[in-house]
Amino acid sequence: EADIYQTPRYLVIGTGKKITLECSQTMGHDKMYWYQQDPGMELHLIHYSYGVNSTEKGDLSSESTVSRIRTEHFPLTLESARPSHTSQYLCASSDSRWRDANTGELFFGEGSRLTVL
Amino acid sequence: AQTVTQSQPEMSVQEAETVTLSCTYDTSESDYYLFWYKQPPSRQMILVIRQEAYKQQNATENRFSVNFQKAAKSFSLKISDSQLGDAAMYFCAYRSGFGNEKLTFGTGTRLTIIP
Repeated sequence: EADIYQTPRYLVIGTGKKITLECSQTMGHDKMYWYQQDPGMELHLIHYSYGVNSTEKGDLSSESTVSRIRTEHFPLTLESARPSHTSQYLCASSDSRWRDANTGELFFGEGSRLTVL
Repeated sequence: AQTVTQSQPEMSVQEAETVTLSCTYDTSESDYYLFWYKQPPSRQMILVIRQEAYKQQNATENRFSVNFQKAAKSFSLKISDSQLGDAAMYFCAYRSGFGNEKLTFGTGTRLTIIP
């Protein structure tokens, strides 16, 4: 089992609420990612980080924001949730020494399933 | 930009039989890595097998093996002696070998194991 944790696992909220999805990893990985997984199961990268104080937008535009103040923590925030934000959000991490170690394997959390009413 | 295509949204196989999941990709790069990930229902996505593009030999991990055809840009996954625990969504993924850390995923294939 990978040491990467996401909370909450399930969240149902009303439109306009602010939410934060938590992601923590205990593997000392410097790179972390957020993927959005559609109901049809396709995954899209929405944010990634190469280390502390580094955040980048992914391939899919998202109204969410992320922060990386500590190596192990990569929370995702939605300031004002809307029904279009309903999805599953997967957090992942990897080791920058991938060429010497694991050739780029990503370790995933169990996901946070968000429903906005 | 790289793309990954999985043309089989759903597959099913009889327990103990062999099944092959298809994946094709498009890239202009010569150095890259390919992966198959497994996502069981309501559980973590885990790596099944990886293939380095510079290696000609097909990767094998126990009952899982790949057929990597670099010229055809094809990367299929063969599961032998299918077990009930193999039921999951399977995603093919591509990663550049030139420092780009991001994975590009296919749309997934849902595999059902028939007892």
